[in-house]
Amino acid sequence: AQSVAQPEDQVNVAEGNPLTVKCTYSVSGNPYLFWYVQYPNRGLQFLLKYITGDNLVKGSYGFEAEFNKSQTSFHLKKPSALVSDSALYFCAVRDGGTGGFKTIFGAGTRLFVKA
Amino acid sequence: EAGVAQSPRYKIIEKRQSVAFWCNPISGHATLYWYQQILGQGPKLLIQFQNNGVVDDSQLPKDRFSAERLKGVDSTLKIQPAKLEDSAVYLCASSRSGTNSYEQYFGPGTRLTVT
Repeated sequence: AQSVAQPEDQVNVAEGNPLTVKCTYSVSGNPYLFWYVQYPNRGLQFLLKYITGDNLVKGSYGFEAEFNKSQTSFHLKKPSALVSDSALYFCAVRDGGTGGFKTIFGAGTRLFVKA
Repeated sequence: EAGVAQSPRYKIIEKRQSVAFWCNPISGHATLYWYQQILGQGPKLLIQFQNNGVVDDSQLPKDRFSAERLKGVDSTLKIQPAKLEDSAVYLCASSRSGTNSYEQYFGPGTRLTVT
């Protein structure tokens, strides 16, 4: 069965510093990986995805994520955090093999960026 | 393009009452999803439609929840009768069909409170 873990409930970072939000996954086939962001009182927004190709993928708002097959990880990164990046971030995985159609979401990591 | 529309935005009902939520996906999106997001958790897939056919409803409590997508466009999710543990945000999302088009676009959600 597929699963996704976000080991940190909360990440605190100072504005201007680099940020990392961690995600690990488990699937039986090839992983399709996603990051979504949820701002207060707003719906989830797609940030970026990895389906195939380059392990480093770039997305919206200057975010990027690195797919690491050996560590089964897909950490979200940004070189310089902004206060406006403060939000709830969800990692999600879909099994691209025979695991079916379902996308599984992690429990979320709350990011606080301090000015 | 217009986003995913949902109504109502908020609903308060008493336990054992029934409630219905409506979703209109992005035009041309063949796949429609209903998720339940309990406070402090990630979204959990309830049901996924491809056009007007169900492709996954394994986590839908079928004794009380039902969903339909007539004509492959709008969708309705119903709960009858509601329980206290159904209090959550119900999210509708849609996505295109086709290779590598798996990112989902979410509506604002309906916050349900069961008292």
